[in-house]
Amino acid sequence: EVQLVQSGAEVKKPGESLKISCEASGYSFTSSWIGWVRQMPGKGLEWMGIIYPGDSDTRYSPSFQGQVTISADKSITTAYLQWSSLKASDTAMYYCARTGVGGTFFDYWGRGTLVTVSS
Amino acid sequence: DIVMTQSPDSLAVSLGERATINCKSSQSVLYSSNNKNYLAWYQQKPTQPPKLLIKWASTRESGVPDRFSGSGSGTDFTLTISSLQAEDVAVYYCLQYYTSPHSFGQGTKLEIK
Repeated sequence: EVQLVQSGAEVKKPGESLKISCEASGYSFTSSWIGWVRQMPGKGLEWMGIIYPGDSDTRYSPSFQGQVTISADKSITTAYLQWSSLKASDTAMYYCARTGVGGTFFDYWGRGTLVTVSS
Repeated sequence: DIVMTQSPDSLAVSLGERATINCKSSQSVLYSSNNKNYLAWYQQKPTQPPKLLIKWASTRESGVPDRFSGSGSGTDFTLTISSLQAEDVAVYYCLQYYTSPHSFGQGTKLEIK
């Protein structure tokens, strides 16, 4: 059974750094792309980017390029989303999700990690 | 980048009636080499992650009730719920995965009339 287990909710201050995680199991981690989706409070879904853990090939949406870093550690089948300096506008729910074959649609989703950035 | 536009933004339908949600892409998501439309539909209920309903524009995901169907090709797509049930109240999103960056529509909120 495919499972994506995300790290817990975070409350941070503007300017702080953060790395949230998504531990995958039940499938070959290095053979599927895994990505991140942002959902700001009361808003829609935004595709942030995906990574192929097999070779670390990473694709970002221009909206998020340079704002976050997506990475993966295949030794522990875990993907990460990282910020070096958080802003209040980063307050959102962040979902990790696995893609189908060839980096297509997201077929399995984590439960989400709520990130709150407030002074 | 491909922009996905859904219509309407919200929709109220009576129980047992048909619900129709539209999704238009700013360029074709039909891949000519395999004749597949790179378009998916998701359902999101409050406090839950999105759930995949339809892939390849018209292929229902395993376990999804057959009252949900997808149609369309190229740039224009439709999600139809043939007979609305109370548990179908949710926000529905289309997603293009034809090219990176992939992109979602803005969502359509479906309610009971």
